[in-house]
Amino acid sequence: DIVMTQSPLSLPVTPGEPASISCRSSQSLYSNGYNYLDWYLQKPGQSPQLLIYLGSNRASGVPDRFSGSGSGTDFTLKISRVEAADVGVYYCRQGLQAPLTFGGGTKVEIK
Amino acid sequence: QVQLQESGPGLVKPSQTLSLTCTVSGGSISSGSYYWSWIRQPAGKGLEWIGRMSTSGSTKYNPSLKGRVSVSVDTSKNQFFLNLNSVTAADTAVYYCARGVPPGLSGSGDYYWFDPWGQGILVTVSS
Repeated sequence: DIVMTQSPLSLPVTPGEPASISCRSSQSLYSNGYNYLDWYLQKPGQSPQLLIYLGSNRASGVPDRFSGSGSGTDFTLKISRVEAADVGVYYCRQGLQAPLTFGGGTKVEIK
Repeated sequence: QVQLQESGPGLVKPSQTLSLTCTVSGGSISSGSYYWSWIRQPAGKGLEWIGRMSTSGSTKYNPSLKGRVSVSVDTSKNQFFLNLNSVTAADTAVYYCARGVPPGLSGSGDYYWFDPWGQGILVTVSS
């Protein structure tokens, strides 16, 4: 199985400041010109929602303050200016091969 | 806009079968090329992919569930289902259904992302 490792586990942020979450995979997620990596946000009390697919593509309706980057085994989700609505747990997920696996999550909270 | 809703018993006894239904609204479950999926989340923990059935009928499951799982679809009811047998307390979790959406790009293989998700249903395994 591909192991997904996120850091940090917890990320206290100040509104208006940037934030960055790292995700590493145990093997390369790059294949046929694509990085098979998604990002999801699970807001408190809600189900996860898609933010980024194929490593760097924002899902429909996702604000442009969210961006995904990286390739191979190292990926980053950046929030350019954190808002209160961005609190929750962020998960990365590999879609290269079954079993599909998620990172352990990064909890973003407001300072 | 497609929406998904899980339903089923919230309490299942050990060794019995956990059966859940996901009802799809706002679109036909048989149109397009999607992967109808189940994911679970034990309390306070991360997400675990359970398995899926594609629109074409092919299935794929997480080997960690050791053959206890099956996913099926009823296109006439616009629903898909999860069956997990021989449950133990370790199967206690919030269970989500989700639509797997492929990018439709040449060479993207079996890749898909999950969107949307259902609201989730808590299933407790206890006698």
